Amino acid sequence: EPEVTQTPSHQVTQMGQEVILRCVPISNHLYFYWYRQILGQKVEFLVSFYNNEISEKSEIFDDQFSVERPDGSNFTLKIRSTKLEDSAMYFCASRVSYNEQFFGPGTRLTVL
Amino acid sequence: SQELEQSPQSLIVQEGKNLTINCTSSKTLYGLYWYKQKYGEGLIFLMMLQKGGEEKSHEKITAKLDEKKQQSSLHITASQPSHAGIYLCGADVGDSNYQLIWGAGTKLIIKP
Repeated sequence: EPEVTQTPSHQVTQMGQEVILRCVPISNHLYFYWYRQILGQKVEFLVSFYNNEISEKSEIFDDQFSVERPDGSNFTLKIRSTKLEDSAMYFCASRVSYNEQFFGPGTRLTVL
Repeated sequence: SQELEQSPQSLIVQEGKNLTINCTSSKTLYGLYWYKQKYGEGLIFLMMLQKGGEEKSHEKITAKLDEKKQQSSLHITASQPSHAGIYLCGADVGDSNYQLIWGAGTKLIIKP
């Protein structure tokens, strides 16, 4: 059964460093998303991506964040200069359209 | 802003007892997802509902979306220790990019 994959499963980084979180969405899906969940809090929407561009982003998704679909299969989230408060679980998701949204297993980001 | 309210916030149930968790929206639900999560870990997909009046079951867990499509309930019959965890509802409320909004979660503890 097709699934969304994410790497790495856990990333530890120093404050101020750049990190790239990687996702491989399901191959025929058209909409791609990043969500994050700070430990003990709600899951929050970060950004949606469709037709090779950002279609919507939340207030959280500021200039420090960027997304890319570099090669038609990977979907990446980059944080340019990480802060302590970026520590969270980051979930990637994809869907065809109005059908079910599929989530990856998440990447736990720890910023020291 | 759109919100999804989950109740109760936490629940302690004697093993073997039944329980219900609710998820209520002020907007029409075009898709309602139920997930289970262990603290700090990934999302375990339980089920997704789209049609008003729809009911789905898996093992001892049943979820229903009401006719007006503004509330969903998750019912666990004869609870077991393996049911313990955090239950999250996520909803598609008709945004053009189909991103989900999330409830705050219900923490379920099963007492032996």
